[in-house]
Parts: sequence; structure tokens; C-alpha cells
Amino acid sequence: EDKVVQSPLSLVVHEGDTVTLNCSYEVTNFRSLLWYKQEKKAPTFLFMLTSSGIEKKSGRLSSILDKKELFSILNITATQTGDSAVYLCAVRANSKLTFGKGITLSVRP
Amino acid sequence: NAGVMQNPRHLVRRRGQEARLRCSPMKGHSHVYWYRQLPEEGLKFMVYLQKENIIDESGMPKERFSAEFPKEGPSILRIQQVVRGDSAAYFCASSPLVQGASGNTIYFGEGSWLTVV
Repeated sequence: EDKVVQSPLSLVVHEGDTVTLNCSYEVTNFRSLLWYKQEKKAPTFLFMLTSSGIEKKSGRLSSILDKKELFSILNITATQTGDSAVYLCAVRANSKLTFGKGITLSVRP
Repeated sequence: NAGVMQNPRHLVRRRGQEARLRCSPMKGHSHVYWYRQLPEEGLKFMVYLQKENIIDESGMPKERFSAEFPKEGPSILRIQQVVRGDSAAYFCASSPLVQGASGNTIYFGEGSWLTVV
């Protein structure tokens, strides 16, 4: 069975801190890895990664994939209170996305 | 993701009633996925559909749950004889391309929150 494990489960930081969120996976027929941000509603797409070693960047967020070691990280620099959310990692294999349980990030002022 | 439309957003049902959740995919998308999210849990895959076809229903409970995506109209997730354990957020997602293509992402709707009392 496909498996996606995220760590830590929750994280509390102060504004301005940098955080690293981890995602490891075990799937057959890997296609891509996706990161989503969820704030009590629909998951919002952040990144899709398909190739190892190529960093994707959007503002203060960046992510990279290691297909050899089967993990990805999501970095957020200079965190803001608006970054508080659940960050979901999902791996696409065949017809579906398999999600991790998510990482709850709380950014305190 | 605002393009994936789900309704109702909130639904309250008594035990034993039926719940029908609707999803209209983004324009141009012909693939629909249903996910369920229980409190404190991640999103769990339920079913993947194309127009008039169920492609993968490996995550769907064998009883009481069914899904369809007719040629015309929205996709519908139907839960018969609901029980308290069915209370959850049900998310619909859509994508434009066939399975296996790594170049396309999946966009989510706002979700339908089912409460069974």
C-alpha cells in the first residue's frame, strides 16, 4: 500500500523564523509529489515536483525532491502569521494522490 | 482551485438518511476525484471518475457509498443510510488529463462538510 509520512506533525514558530517541513514516501509507480496548503477549507496547490534536485520556488516558499532517498522538503523563510495552516504532502501514483496526515504550522506574532 | 464547485458546503443529516454531494469540475477538466477528510486525519482517496466511467474506486467503502459522473451534469457522491462515522469533510478535485501524466496537477473544491446527528 502506498504510504506518505510527514514530519513533524505540528510546529510552532515565531514570525521571521525559517521552517522545514518533511515528507517521505513509499509508493509504486511514482509520478509526482505535490504540496498543498490547507486553511480550514480547500487544499491550495503550492508545488508539484517530478524531478530530483530541482528546486521549485515561489516567494518565501521553496521545495525540493529527492527520488533516490524518497523524500521532499518544503521550506518557508521569514514566516508570517498568514503562513499558519496545515501543509499537506501528496504523492501521485497511477490514478490517485495519496496524502500524508499533514503538518500543522502555527506562526506566532 | 476556486473553479471546482461543490455543493452543499454544509449538510446535516439524521442517521439513516441519505446524503448527496455534488461536484462540478473546473472548466475543461474531465477527471474527478473524491476524497474524505476525517477530523485530525489526512485526505483519504475514495474514487476517481471520468465521464460515465468509474476508473478507480479502491478507496470507497463497499456498502452505502456510490459515485457517478454522468455525461451531463455534476459528479455526485451518494451516501445511503448515513451513520455518525460518515461525518467528515468530503473534497472533490479535478484534473484535465488522463492518469499517469505527471505534468498535470489536481485542483480541489472547497469541500462539503457532512454532519450526521
